[in-house]
Amino acid sequence: NAGVTQTPKFQVLKTGQSMTLQCAQDMNHEYMSWYRQDPGMGLRLIHYSVGAGITDQGEVPNGYNVSRSTTEDFPLRLLSAAPSQTSVYFCASTLSGRATETQYFGPGTRLLVL
Amino acid sequence: KQEVTQIPAALSVPEGENLVLNCSFTDSAIYNLQWFRQDPGKGLTSLLLIQSSQREQTSGRLNASLDKSSGRSTLYIAASQPGDSATYLCAVKVRTGNQFYFGTGTSLTVIP
Repeated sequence: NAGVTQTPKFQVLKTGQSMTLQCAQDMNHEYMSWYRQDPGMGLRLIHYSVGAGITDQGEVPNGYNVSRSTTEDFPLRLLSAAPSQTSVYFCASTLSGRATETQYFGPGTRLLVL
Repeated sequence: KQEVTQIPAALSVPEGENLVLNCSFTDSAIYNLQWFRQDPGKGLTSLLLIQSSQREQTSGRLNASLDKSSGRSTLYIAASQPGDSATYLCAVKVRTGNQFYFGTGTSLTVIP
């Protein structure tokens, strides 16, 4: 199993540009989520999904869109990038989100918005 | 809203020492608490998961405890090694919704 994969590893955008961060997992996990990690603030949940076709907002959803058309993929879209979205983005998954389950993380995408 | 705090933010110890990392949370209505390790420029690796009904979990030199009533967890690392140098994060899964809340982490340096 490749686990949780993310592309790209690094991206530079100009303010106002849009882009999609890709996340895929091959573990047949139902629950997937996106976090951003900023210095001094820890990881904060952006959006999550409990299964194909179902998404919900996390703590900091503004400026981001998600969709879940398949179990495997959970892309994160930045509609109009802003410098405040400069961060490291992590995708994570668990089998079904139950209390006994470990979260698995991807390697992250470093985004710089100029 | 759940607040998760980790103190200290950074810790430096000589090789071989036993050490304790602390995590506190404000809302005791949690499903579980997880400890993660993060190496520079890398993703997070799960170390231990404690369900809300459990008091502790052990894996090798690591032992994590949970006191839900006081909103505290500790990660005990025995006989520390330079390879243990990393940032350690704790996260709680809350009962309302499906959200996880992370602390800001403790950066550990083990000096050979």
